[in-house]
Parts: sequence; structure tokens; C-alpha cells
Amino acid sequence: GQNIDQPTEMTATEGAIVQINCTYQTSGFNGLFWYQQHAGEAPTFLSYNVLDGLEEKGRFSSFLSRSKGYSYLLLKELQMKDSASYLCAVRDDSSASKIIFGSGTRLSIRP
Amino acid sequence: EAGVVQSPRYKIIEKKQPVAFWCNPISGHNTLYWYLQNLGQGPELLIRYENEEAVDDSQLPKDRFSAERLKGVDSTLKIQPAELGDSAVYLCASSSHKGDTQYFGPGTRLTVL
Repeated sequence: GQNIDQPTEMTATEGAIVQINCTYQTSGFNGLFWYQQHAGEAPTFLSYNVLDGLEEKGRFSSFLSRSKGYSYLLLKELQMKDSASYLCAVRDDSSASKIIFGSGTRLSIRP
Repeated sequence: EAGVVQSPRYKIIEKKQPVAFWCNPISGHNTLYWYLQNLGQGPELLIRYENEEAVDDSQLPKDRFSAERLKGVDSTLKIQPAELGDSAVYLCASSSHKGDTQYFGPGTRLTVL
């Protein structure tokens, strides 16, 4: 089966750093996506990891450990506009490359 | 390049009425997805198309939901009859190929009264 866990809510301060964790269990893992979703809007693509390690893209970085079934999204120099839900999604090639989404982490940024 | 287009953006209907949603994917994208998203939850796949073929519809409630993707481009998702529990946001997404990065449309927010 498939299981994706991420915290429901997090709060951080403007200008700080926050790490959003995601753990997963899937038999045919072949990549992990992070999406950002502002309230009332569609998810937008942030990052994709398929190999172990850290991928950096501006203020956002994403890390993957396949052996541990673990990923995190790191947001630096937080801005108020970063208040959104962050969705972790796993590609499962044992299910015809199905993409399974977690429930999302709602991040609130305080001044 | 235009993104994924969906219409309508909002729909309010009474229970037992039919409703239809339309999606136009990004040009050249072979794979099209319909998702349902409830408040505070991640998207849940309803159906996936590879070109005009429905390759994963295991989560589609086939007694009341139907979908089609004629000519492998636009797609329509229909609910007949709608129930109160169908109130949600219906998202359409497309990708170049299966498993690739998905790009989402703005969604249709359905309210069933």
C-alpha cells in the first residue's frame, strides 16, 4: 500500500527558516514532488527529487533519502507570501506511475 | 504558453441535479488527470487519461461519475445525480507523460445544496 505523512500545520516567523518533513511508504517509489498551494488556488510545482540528496532552487530546497523514506522542504528567508499549504507527492511505479498526494502542511507566517 | 484551463470556476447546484466540468490541458500534454480535493486535504485522483484512453479510474464512483477525453485533448467530467457529499474542488492537471510533473488548472469549486 501507500502512505504519506506530513505535519498538518506549522507556524514560522518572517525572515526565518522552516523545514517541512514528509515520510512515505510505497512499494514502487520513483520520485517525490513538492507543490505549493495558496488558499483557493491550484497547486503549483516546486521541486522534484528522485536521487538522494539536496536540490536547491533559490530560497527553497528539497532533500530526499530513499533508504529512509524521508524528504523535507526547506524554506529560507521566509516571506508573508509563503503562507500556504505544501503538498508532498510520491510517484509509485508499481501502480503505473501513479502520483499519490499527502494531505499537505499548512504553513502560517507571522510578522 | 497557456496553462491548464478549467470551467466553470464555481458551480452551485441542488442535490440530484447533473453537473459537468470542462478541462483543456496544456498543448502537447498526453496525460490528463481529474482530482477531487476536500478542504484541508491533498488532491485525490479520480481518473487519469493517457491520450484518449482512461488508464486509471479505480477511484471514480462509476455509479454517478463519468468522464471522457475525446480526441485526446479536452476532457469533461460529469456527475449525475450530484449528492451533498460531492461538494469539493475538482482539479484538472496535465503532464507531458505519465509520472512527469503535473500542472494544475484553477479548479472548479462545486457546492451541492
